[in-house]
Amino acid sequence: EDQVTQSPEALRLQEGESSSLNCSYTVSGLRGLFWYRQDPGKGPEFLFTLYSAGEEKEKERLKATLTKKESFLHITAPKPEDSATYLCAGGDGGSQGNLIFGKGTKLSVKP
Amino acid sequence: KAGVTQTPRYLIKTRGQQVTLSCSPISGHRSVSWYQQTPGQGLQFLFEYFSETQRNKGNFPGRFSGRQFSNSRSEMNVSTLELGDSALYLCASSLLRGQFFGPGTRLTVL
Repeated sequence: EDQVTQSPEALRLQEGESSSLNCSYTVSGLRGLFWYRQDPGKGPEFLFTLYSAGEEKEKERLKATLTKKESFLHITAPKPEDSATYLCAGGDGGSQGNLIFGKGTKLSVKP
Repeated sequence: KAGVTQTPRYLIKTRGQQVTLSCSPISGHRSVSWYQQTPGQGLQFLFEYFSETQRNKGNFPGRFSGRQFSNSRSEMNVSTLELGDSALYLCASSLLRGQFFGPGTRLTVL
């Protein structure tokens, strides 16, 4: 069964304290690994798409990496405004439309 | 470029009623997907439409249905509402890479 698992479920950091979020997947025929940020009461905001092992993408304080079995979202020197739930999803390549989501990691950054 | 819009944003219904939610994708996007988000199950795929045809369907009962119009706008319908249908319903549109989500419709079933 296709599955995406994220850890930890929740993470509390002090401002400036770097860390990583993990996303492990078992999606047959994976054709893309997606990262989203979701603020309370809002829809997920697209961050990155990774397609092949070894690929890395960066945006401000965030860097996403991909291996054959998992992806990491590294957060460098986070700020309070980085507090959100970060979602990981796998696309099976059948189409762009069917994403399998993990349950998310709720990140809190304290000043 | 305007993002994905969903209407209404909030909805309160009672058990047994039916509801229709609407989604307007980003201009030029032909694929529209619908997801249900609940605290317990997270985001779960409902169905995807492309050029007015259902291309994929998730594991939901037949009470959940949808359609897409020639202008790519999409609607989803839930009939005979149950308490467990209370959730945030999200619509996403995509062109080639990645999906872009709307703000969602918060449905509460009493």
